[in-house]
Amino acid sequence: AQSVTQLDSQVPVFEEAPVELRCNYSSSVSVYLFWYVQYPNQGLQLLLKYLSGSTLVKGINGFEAEFNKSQTSFHLRKPSVHISDTAEYFCAVRGGRSGGYQKVTFGTGTKLQVIP
Amino acid sequence: KAGVTQTPRYLIKTRGQQVTLSCSPISGHRSVSWYQQTPGQGLQFLFEYFSETQRNKGNFPGRFSGRQFSNSRSEMNVSTLELGDSALYLCASSVTGTATNYGYTFGSGTRLTVV
Repeated sequence: AQSVTQLDSQVPVFEEAPVELRCNYSSSVSVYLFWYVQYPNQGLQLLLKYLSGSTLVKGINGFEAEFNKSQTSFHLRKPSVHISDTAEYFCAVRGGRSGGYQKVTFGTGTKLQVIP
Repeated sequence: KAGVTQTPRYLIKTRGQQVTLSCSPISGHRSVSWYQQTPGQGLQFLFEYFSETQRNKGNFPGRFSGRQFSNSRSEMNVSTLELGDSALYLCASSVTGTATNYGYTFGSGTRLTVV
């Protein structure tokens, strides 16, 4: 079984300040990790994904995330946030299994509020 | 390239009725997944279809069902609606096969309100 934990339900941050949104996962198999963003009244949009290789992944809108296998974490970061980054962010995990299939499990989301 | 299209965008139904939601995936995507999103429960996986076959199912009662057509379009049906079924229902499509099924493209969702 796999699970995702986003400990922070809300994160307020001032404009132009850095931000880190935390994500921890558990899985008994190798994983693929994702971050999605949801703006009000819209579906989710893929920000970035980790499949293999370099543990630092860069995504859209200046976001990046680092895969840490020993800490089972995949935290999302941005060095300087903008008002337009105000949204809800979801971490997701999909277990990889040779010849098999795993569904995607989402975290409960973190609402990022950028304060002018 | 058109995105994932969900219809209708908004729906109001009465308890006990049934409802059918539609999802047209991105052209070439053969996998369609459905999620229920509520403020209290977050995103809950309903089911996934690939090439007209259901290949994974979440923990929802049998009132929730779905299907996929030969053109990859998918529908989900909820029978005997309950107030607790009020939610945003999201459809997501992805490219074919388990090896390349790495990320979703989501539709804007159908907001279902049960009164």
